[in-house]
Amino acid sequence: EAGVAQSPRYKIIEKRQSVAFWCNPISGHATLYWYQQILGQGPKLLIQFQNNGVVDDSQLPKDRFSAERLKGVDSTLKIQPAKLEDSAVYLCASSLLLGDTQYFGPGTRLTVL
Amino acid sequence: QKEVEQNSGPLSVPEGAIASLNCTYSDRGSQSFFWYRQYSGKSPELIMFIYSNGDKEDGRFTAQLNKASQYVSLLIRDSQPSDSATYLCAVLNTGGFKTIFGAGTRLFVKA
Repeated sequence: EAGVAQSPRYKIIEKRQSVAFWCNPISGHATLYWYQQILGQGPKLLIQFQNNGVVDDSQLPKDRFSAERLKGVDSTLKIQPAKLEDSAVYLCASSLLLGDTQYFGPGTRLTVL
Repeated sequence: QKEVEQNSGPLSVPEGAIASLNCTYSDRGSQSFFWYRQYSGKSPELIMFIYSNGDKEDGRFTAQLNKASQYVSLLIRDSQPSDSATYLCAVLNTGGFKTIFGAGTRLFVKA
């Protein structure tokens, strides 16, 4: 069974630029999560989808972050414009159902200069 | 008060010893509890989960849950250097739709 795929693995941009991350969950998994993990901290949930509907986006900075999951499969997370404090690893995870074990992708390490 | 609290460590134990990792949570109606392991530079991976009060064993790992005290722990017996990692406690909220992660405890097992 293929795992969660993410791209790119690394990205370096300057502040005020835009960036997009892509995630393809495990086949059949209804729930998809985007997390931000800053060095030394636990993953912080940004947004959670159930199929193509948003379950929770309470911690998503909506003035600069956006995410979509068209057709209920893969998803993109966008940051526009980026700030220095957005430097982090962005993790995508999926689970079969809401509340189930989450399987994480390899993450995208973002550096904002 | 943080929703899920863990001692950041580092916790250092000798090889072969028992490592005890602790986690407290604030949502009294929390339903499920997960322990994930995260190696440096890698993504979290599930070690085990627990739903009911008491102990749950899986190989060298034992999860313990006490809902009355809002406390969950992970014991690692016969600790190995390969167990050196950050251990994340994750708690599923009352509504059963949102999982909150703690900041993690760093564990070092000395050979």
